[in-house]
Amino acid sequence: EAQVTQNPRYLITVTGKKLTVTCSQNMNHEYMSWYRQDPGLGLRQIYYSMNVEVTDKGDVPEGYKVSRKEKRNFPLILESPSPNQTSLYFCASSLLANYGYTFGSGTRLTVV
Amino acid sequence: AQSVTQLDSQVPVFEEAPVELRCNYSSSVSVYLFWYVQYPNQGLQLLLKYLSGSTLVKGINGFEAEFNKSQTSFHLRKPSVHISDTAEYFCAVSEAAGNNRKLIWGLGTSLAVNP
Repeated sequence: EAQVTQNPRYLITVTGKKLTVTCSQNMNHEYMSWYRQDPGLGLRQIYYSMNVEVTDKGDVPEGYKVSRKEKRNFPLILESPSPNQTSLYFCASSLLANYGYTFGSGTRLTVV
Repeated sequence: AQSVTQLDSQVPVFEEAPVELRCNYSSSVSVYLFWYVQYPNQGLQLLLKYLSGSTLVKGINGFEAEFNKSQTSFHLRKPSVHISDTAEYFCAVSEAAGNNRKLIWGLGTSLAVNP
């Protein structure tokens, strides 16, 4: 089944403890992206990647890192999480501009 | 730069009634238009898209949308809703030229279907 897989689905962590949210797609998509979703703010893009080893900042990149060493994987790294990064995170991938995105099921992160 | 405005943040409706969720956009270039649905505790799923050609596009679950270039709108409609249509609906646009896949999102419309 074609899909984007994120792990974990739920995560509670403490301020400052480094964490990684994994994202993997099995559709050979070149484009991958991370979003955060917050009430009243909609979906905001954190980082995106046009291809392997090519990443760029989205609208809200502060406090996040990404890497794209393989086409299928696009992990999101929070080096020192803070409570304002408590959010629902989505990974998405796309083959072409007119295909639209395929989304993962989301990761609900709580930083205390 | 593009922007998307979803005119209603919440739409309550009774089961089997028709519904329209409104989306307006602004852009200086040609765009692709999308509607996504997010069911509770799930990721977003593509409902339908407009790329070119016929301005009326049909999607999954009985939804359709009409592209109106003069009014820069892309409203989503369903003639008869079910309880299971209760979800958050997002309108999005991207540039049609080149391969820029960045989507500009509306803030969403919460559809609540009541029995």
